[in-house]
Amino acid sequence: QKEVEQNSGPLSVPEGAIASLNCTYSDRVSQSFFWYRQYSGKSPELIMSIYSNGDKEDGRFTAQLNKASQYVSLLIRDSQPSDSATYLCAVIGPFGNEKLTFGTGTRLTIIP
Amino acid sequence: EAGVVQSPRYKIIEKKQPVAFWCNPISGHNTLYWYLQNLGQGPELLIRYENEEAVDDSQLPKDRFSAERLKGVDSTLKIQPAELGDSAVYLCASSLFAGQNTGELFFGEGSRLTVL
Repeated sequence: QKEVEQNSGPLSVPEGAIASLNCTYSDRVSQSFFWYRQYSGKSPELIMSIYSNGDKEDGRFTAQLNKASQYVSLLIRDSQPSDSATYLCAVIGPFGNEKLTFGTGTRLTIIP
Repeated sequence: EAGVVQSPRYKIIEKKQPVAFWCNPISGHNTLYWYLQNLGQGPELLIRYENEEAVDDSQLPKDRFSAERLKGVDSTLKIQPAELGDSAVYLCASSLFAGQNTGELFFGEGSRLTVL
């Protein structure tokens, strides 16, 4: 089982709709969770971090964390064509193994 | 403020040749990372520095890869000799804190290596 798993997509969403991206992780005691956005040919950039159960909102982005179910999700409201990118989920392991591990990413396409 | 600077952006070499990548992190960032990213995959950590010390190099193939971070600022990643399977993007990243592994990384533009 991979440490961080994502559906590779592509995920196609109409402009203006909600895009939902999911990620599961294998280590139950992982500490911290991140979403990075990577445009084609560019490097990853951090868009959201979440450290405790529940929702965290930042503009059109909402990160959701459920540690009991070991999943983290990213919702993008009012999707725009500029949101078309690959979204990487990243997880920091438990104390003593605090390596940041990335998933393979989900490719999101917003259809005008 | 300048971001993470990497060079060269692109490099094409023949197998068995050496290659080196350079990285200048964001000023004041104590932690520096080298990642490898293959097409369609997420970044994979090669080495993490806190100041001058390599605190995690467990994923670095030490038979052909080496890295250094002199004076705790710039860093160089070297491959010698390069193999076909080394073709990838080499990403440098930095973060503000030393002594803890924060996931809030700032990445450079990457160095794309093609080995023929």
